[in-house]
Amino acid sequence: GAVVSQHPSWVICKSGTSVKIECRSLDFQATTMFWYRQFPKQSLMLMATSNEGSKATYEQGVEKDKFLINHASLTLSTLTVTSAHPEDSSFYICSARTPDSVYNEQFFGPGTRLTVL
Amino acid sequence: EDKVVQSPLSLVVHEGDTVTLNCSYEVTNFRSLLWYKQEKKAPTFLFMLTSSGIEKKSGRLSSILDKKELFSILNITATQTGDSAVYLCAVEYDAGNMLTFGGGTRLMVKP
Repeated sequence: GAVVSQHPSWVICKSGTSVKIECRSLDFQATTMFWYRQFPKQSLMLMATSNEGSKATYEQGVEKDKFLINHASLTLSTLTVTSAHPEDSSFYICSARTPDSVYNEQFFGPGTRLTVL
Repeated sequence: EDKVVQSPLSLVVHEGDTVTLNCSYEVTNFRSLLWYKQEKKAPTFLFMLTSSGIEKKSGRLSSILDKKELFSILNITATQTGDSAVYLCAVEYDAGNMLTFGGGTRLMVKP
């Protein structure tokens, strides 16, 4: 099956620093990748949709200057949390869709737990 | 190595049928198992299960966890076309630092 990896799996950083999270599709080319954030009570919020070679589409209320997304290749998308603050602490999850997806199925990465001190 | 496996991969039923979706897992330091329904954008949270044998119920949906056999089932009774979606199972483990999703089960309910 399609495998999506994320790196790092967890990261602790100081307030004000920037953190980059990588999302890779290991055995397929992902034309579209999605970034989610997990909130309390396990709800997932879609932050942005990332298409290879073009600018990401951000959901309403998500600061594009704070959450920088780059989808430079068909197998890699990165999320950079700039000037991180404690309220940015969360689980960030990516997913990827294959080019031949018929039913919009997505394959999820293992998530990255970010803790901002 | 698959840590969370869902079955079946896809399912087509008619309105009124009852369906059972399966999720098996193999992780260390299990913390909780989560069920989500994904239709368009972000998956919608359905249930969180932490204890064996305690059924969680919401309307026509119910779920139960077996921590000895390492699996969970999601039941949907009297299915409706609006139940058509991908149902995702995810497991939190390693003291909550890790979260792994299964591949999902695509359910299609025909009128």
